[in-house]
Amino acid sequence: QQQVKQSPQSLIVQKGGISIINCAYENTAFDYFPWYQQFPGKGPALLIAIRPDVSEKKEGRFTISFNKSAKQFSLHIMDSQPGDSATYFCAATGSGSNDYKLSFGAGTTVTVRA
Amino acid sequence: DAGVTQSPTHLIKTRGQQVTLRCSPKSGHDTVSWYQQALGQGPQFIFQYYEEEERQRGNFPDRFSGHQFPNYSSELNVNALLLGDSALYLCASRRRGVNTIYFGEGSWLTVV
Repeated sequence: QQQVKQSPQSLIVQKGGISIINCAYENTAFDYFPWYQQFPGKGPALLIAIRPDVSEKKEGRFTISFNKSAKQFSLHIMDSQPGDSATYFCAATGSGSNDYKLSFGAGTTVTVRA
Repeated sequence: DAGVTQSPTHLIKTRGQQVTLRCSPKSGHDTVSWYQQALGQGPQFIFQYYEEEERQRGNFPDRFSGHQFPNYSSELNVNALLLGDSALYLCASRRRGVNTIYFGEGSWLTVV
């Protein structure tokens, strides 16, 4: 069973718009939540990550929002650009028995129209 | 600073054959994990190595095995290949005690 649920499966946004991708998890042992960006034919590239003691983290045009009580987190891509067109994966890992193992969402394909 | 490097980038094998994929971790990293990514899906954890031992394993059969060498590089071996093994195989590395995980570009395996 998938430990991290991701939505939507795909989205289309106009250049300059905001892309929002949502993820939810059940395992409270997770304590590190990275996002990866993957272009066709390439490996996933680490984009930004957050820990549950922080509610928001921003790096450039990318922002993660984290809601620990709801066990949800989301990625916002501000001022979306055609070069942002890619598949985005949320993931989670933690200490203890889940240490070192990333559990991925199913991915969201983002298309930015010029 | 070289990132995670994998070889070969593409290969085609026949059902029943065996394959070996190779990975060199990012400089300073000592822990290597392998993931399988089927087309249109998220990566699935296969196993992880550090100190030359398999430390954690995902839900993959024993046909999938690995090895880590003293220089931290790693191999993934798959025996008795099935058509369903066709996928992108990703190597990821990290430094123990640090959660930041980096991926290589992957090895595309096609089983015919």
